[in-house]
Amino acid sequence: QKEVEQNSGPLSVPEGAIASLNCTYSDRGSQSFFWYRQYSGKSPELIMSIYSNGDKEDGRFTAQLNKASQYVSLLIRDSQPSDSATYLCAVNRDDKIIFGKGTRLHILP
Amino acid sequence: NAGVTQTPKFRILKIGQSMTLQCTQDMNHNYMYWYRQDPGMGLKLIYYSVGAGITDKGEVPNGYNVSRSTTEDFPLRLELAAPSQTSVYFCASSNREYGYTFGSGTRLTVV
Repeated sequence: QKEVEQNSGPLSVPEGAIASLNCTYSDRGSQSFFWYRQYSGKSPELIMSIYSNGDKEDGRFTAQLNKASQYVSLLIRDSQPSDSATYLCAVNRDDKIIFGKGTRLHILP
Repeated sequence: NAGVTQTPKFRILKIGQSMTLQCTQDMNHNYMYWYRQDPGMGLKLIYYSVGAGITDKGEVPNGYNVSRSTTEDFPLRLELAAPSQTSVYFCASSNREYGYTFGSGTRLTVV
């Protein structure tokens, strides 16, 4: 089992709708969870971090964590064309952060 | 406040040549990392450092070397470049629990 798994997509969502991105992880000892956004040809940018079970909201973004199910998700409300990017789920392990391969999100105008 | 600075941004190497990718951060972070990203793939950890004088291998260290003589700098050395090292290289730094700050990347082509 891979340490961090994501559906590679592409996930196509109409503009204004909710985009839902999912991620599972294998290490039950992980304590910190992150979502990064990466535009084509650019470096990853941290958009959300979550450390405890439940929801964390920041603007149009909501991160959800369920440690019992080893599941992390990211919801993007009122999706905009500028949200079209690859979203990387990341999980800490010891002194490192392990990344999933990312989900490509395409917002349809 | 520049964050994480990587140089060069682009480089073409011939097979067998060597080069050093530079990475400097001004956030006084103890943790620094080198990743490579191949097209359509995720980030693979090459080497990392938890402080000056301390380095450790990541997932794909073969063909690379690092040093960490200061908190600010974490250069990545490629010896005897091979086509398999064609990739985009990202340096990142962290205060551990709050995620990484990435540099803008170095796009390397080995021909």
